[in-house]
Amino acid sequence: AQSVTQPDIHITVSEGASLELRCNYSYGATPYLFWYVQSPGQGLQLLLKYFSGDTLVQGIKGFEAEFKRSQSSFNLRKPSVHWSDAAEYFCAVVPSGNTGKLIFGQGTTLQVKP
Amino acid sequence: EAQVTQNPRYLITVTGKKLTVTCSQNMNHEYMSWYRQDPGLGLRQIYYSMNVEVTDKGDVPEGYKVSRKEKRNFPLILESPSPNQTSLYFCASSPQEGQPQHFGDGTRLSIL
Repeated sequence: AQSVTQPDIHITVSEGASLELRCNYSYGATPYLFWYVQSPGQGLQLLLKYFSGDTLVQGIKGFEAEFKRSQSSFNLRKPSVHWSDAAEYFCAVVPSGNTGKLIFGQGTTLQVKP
Repeated sequence: EAQVTQNPRYLITVTGKKLTVTCSQNMNHEYMSWYRQDPGLGLRQIYYSMNVEVTDKGDVPEGYKVSRKEKRNFPLILESPSPNQTSLYFCASSPQEGQPQHFGDGTRLSIL
């Protein structure tokens, strides 16, 4: 079945440490790929997107993500986490051939230790 | 300011009492969509609309209705709400389908 998987439900990192959040998708053709962030009590904000071209994309707040076709992955990274990055992160996919849909992963909650 | 506005933000109601959650965007976007967010499930798409008078089902449309009579508004209607529709609901819009979406602040519905 077509799906988006975020294997880590909860991640805790220390402030200043590096971060990688994993996302895998199971769609035949390369979909459009997104990462959104949700702070407590807030709506979702776009961090970055991948449509085509350079497989390393830069986003807001110092985040980047790398698309790896061979692994069907789109992992989110940040070299040095700040306490304000504590939030829930969602990977999302627009399937090719059905661009009206947006399919979300289950989300990863990031906790940042001082 | 560019925004997606949902109303109400919070609602507690009872089973079977029809309710409507309004959604309005001021960005002249063609595409609008509704999602529900439940713990451990992420967001799931209920309905979407690629243009005025064009709507289509998402992954969890049962028990919901929508309409798109004008570009800026996309109300979500629960004709006969049930407790399993207790959730956090988000409306979103984008210039076209497939583009990054701009989300509202959410509506928390509790159906007793």
